Amino acid sequence: DAKTTQPTSMDCAEGRAANLPCNHSTISGNEYVYWYRQIHSQGPQYIIHGLKNNETNEMASLIITEDRKSSTLILPHATLRDTAVYYCIVRVAWDSNYQLIWGAGTKLIIKP
Amino acid sequence: GAGVSQSPRYKVAKRGQDVALRCDPISGHVSLFWYQQALGQGPEFLTYFQNEAQLDKSGLPSDRFFAERPEGSVSTLKIQRTQQEDSAVYLCASNRGTGNSPLHFGNGTRLTVT
Repeated sequence: DAKTTQPTSMDCAEGRAANLPCNHSTISGNEYVYWYRQIHSQGPQYIIHGLKNNETNEMASLIITEDRKSSTLILPHATLRDTAVYYCIVRVAWDSNYQLIWGAGTKLIIKP
Repeated sequence: GAGVSQSPRYKVAKRGQDVALRCDPISGHVSLFWYQQALGQGPEFLTYFQNEAQLDKSGLPSDRFFAERPEGSVSTLKIQRTQQEDSAVYLCASNRGTGNSPLHFGNGTRLTVT
C-alpha cells in the first residue's frame, strides 16, 4: 500500500501558485519524499525530492513540516502545461537502491 | 535522444499471444526498473535490474512475465500467453543507481489484449 495520501483532484488558476498537499504520517527517519508528475500519455517526470529541509529547484519548491508527517509541493506560477497528475512518494530503501510505492496522485487542472 | 526509449509505443495482442516490450535506458544508467500502470492508477513495481543482474522480481504478477537485461543495457519484458488483465501501460525507468538519483521514465508501451 502507498504510504502517502493526496487529494484526488485540485484546480488552480493560470499564473497563480499551485499548492499540492501530501500526508505521509508513517514516514521513517531515513525516508525521502519524492514528487513526480505525469502528463497525459507520457511517463512520469521527476520534479523534486527532500528529507527534512525545504528544497527548491527550477520547477518547484518542496515544503516539509518539522515533524515530517506532511509536505507541500509548490508550483509558483502555474501554466496550462502544468496540468498533470502529481504523485507524492516515500522512498523505501533497501540495499543500495530503492523501489517507489505510488498512490493514485492528485490530478491538477490549471484553468485559464 | 537522451531519454529512456520504449518500443513499441502501442501493442495490440490477441489473448494467448506472446509479446515482447523493449526498453533502451539512458546511456550509463546501471539501474533499470519496469512498472505496470493500469488506467487511472499509479505505476506498480514489477522488477529491477542492476546492470545485468535482476535483483528484485517480486512485483511480477505471474510466471508468464519474464524480464531480461543480458548485457546490462537494453531490457526486454516478455509476457507469455497474454490475458485481458495484462492490458496496461508498461513503463521502464532508469537511474544512475547511486544515492538519491531520481528515476527517468520512458513514455511507456500501451498493451491492449483483445
